[in-house]
Amino acid sequence: GAVVSQHPSRVICKSGTSVKIECRSLDFQATTMFWYRQFPKQSLMLMATSNEGSKATYEQGVEKDKFLINHASLTLSTLTVTSAHPEDSSFYICSAKPTGKGETQYFGPGTRLLVL
Amino acid sequence: GENVEQHPSTLSVQEGDSAVIKCTYSDSASNYFPWYKQELGKGPQLIIDIRSNVGEKKDQRIAVTLNKTAKHFSLHITETQPEDSAVYFCAASKGTGFQKLVFGTGTRLLVSP
Repeated sequence: GAVVSQHPSRVICKSGTSVKIECRSLDFQATTMFWYRQFPKQSLMLMATSNEGSKATYEQGVEKDKFLINHASLTLSTLTVTSAHPEDSSFYICSAKPTGKGETQYFGPGTRLLVL
Repeated sequence: GENVEQHPSTLSVQEGDSAVIKCTYSDSASNYFPWYKQELGKGPQLIIDIRSNVGEKKDQRIAVTLNKTAKHFSLHITETQPEDSAVYFCAASKGTGFQKLVFGTGTRLLVSP
């Protein structure tokens, strides 16, 4: 149980294009999902908290207009990197917190984004 | 806000030895402390967690201890195996609901056969 999937696992795009990453909780409902970014050999950096049916809460320094988050259902959150640039290349990981089950977060497998 | 420090940054052990990773946190209100294992190119996997009303928790070869007074918690892996090689992250959070995790900087564990 507690499986989180992400799609795609890897994506290469040209500078200036937009990329959408999906995060799904497969066997539980998640009112709250989180989006992280991880650079090589570094820790996870929280980008935003995604709440079903409401606007996402962004961490300081994260541009909400560049990283669009939609959490339209209890099992799906999407992150869209708009007008991607090479500096946006990173490993993007989502996590989901089962509704009503306390603090535990389960992470997806991550999405490797490379912007050329 | 919460700050989590993690040591060591790298740890090399021989197969069968024990490994200990330590974390300290700054916010005394934190009450949930998970540990994650991350293999290369993959997402973090929850391996064990502990809440502040418990001092120790064990799951087979893995154990976590918590000292609330000193605000530190540790991961203990006994009888290490090569497949334990990975990066381990500690984290801390307080309360429930939307409370976010604050992660440590990670420990790269290498278990040599």
